[in-house]
Amino acid sequence: EAQVTQNPRYLITVTGKKLTVTCSQNMNHEYMSWYRQDPGLGLRQIYYSMNVEVTDKGDVPEGYKVSRKEKRNFPLILESPSPNQTSLYFCASSFYSGKNSGANVLTFGAGSRLTVL
Amino acid sequence: GQSLEQPSEVTAVEGAIVQINCTYQTSGFYGLSWYQQHDGGAPTFLSYNGLDGLEETGRFSSFLSRSDSYGYLLLQELQMKDSASYFCAVRDRGGATNKLIFGTGTLLAVQP
Repeated sequence: EAQVTQNPRYLITVTGKKLTVTCSQNMNHEYMSWYRQDPGLGLRQIYYSMNVEVTDKGDVPEGYKVSRKEKRNFPLILESPSPNQTSLYFCASSFYSGKNSGANVLTFGAGSRLTVL
Repeated sequence: GQSLEQPSEVTAVEGAIVQINCTYQTSGFYGLSWYQQHDGGAPTFLSYNGLDGLEETGRFSSFLSRSDSYGYLLLQELQMKDSASYFCAVRDRGGATNKLIFGTGTLLAVQP
């Protein structure tokens, strides 16, 4: 089954304790992205990657890191989490990374709900 | 700045037709798409418009007018299961051609 898999789905942690949210896709997509969703603010892009070893900042990158060492994986790293990073996080991928309409068709993971105390 | 505006809430009755509007202001434009999200679940792709006009997919249709920076999602024969949040999204130029900017979402409540 074609899918984007995120782990963990739920996590409660404390301020300053480094954590990684993993994301893996099995569709051979070039493009991957991380979003956070907060009430009233919609989906905001954190980082995205156009292909292996190619990453760029989205609209809200502060406090996050990413890496793209393999095509299928795009982990999100919070080096020193803070309470304002409490949010619902989504990883997404798409098949094309250019102007092609396929670049607009994102497949999302089920989400990771993170609470930082 | 870059922004997408859509109504925060819409209410309609089962069997009716509802239109959710989206206006956008972005530095570039490579298409308008629509996503559906049920209660905190994963957003799922509904429709895409790269050119002006109407695209139809079953009960859902989407329209785009690039000259007006405006689009809408039309849902016909509403069903209870259509109660969800609907997001419009624009692919903007940004630093590359891969920033997909989302609106804040419209919560659709379908009543019996």
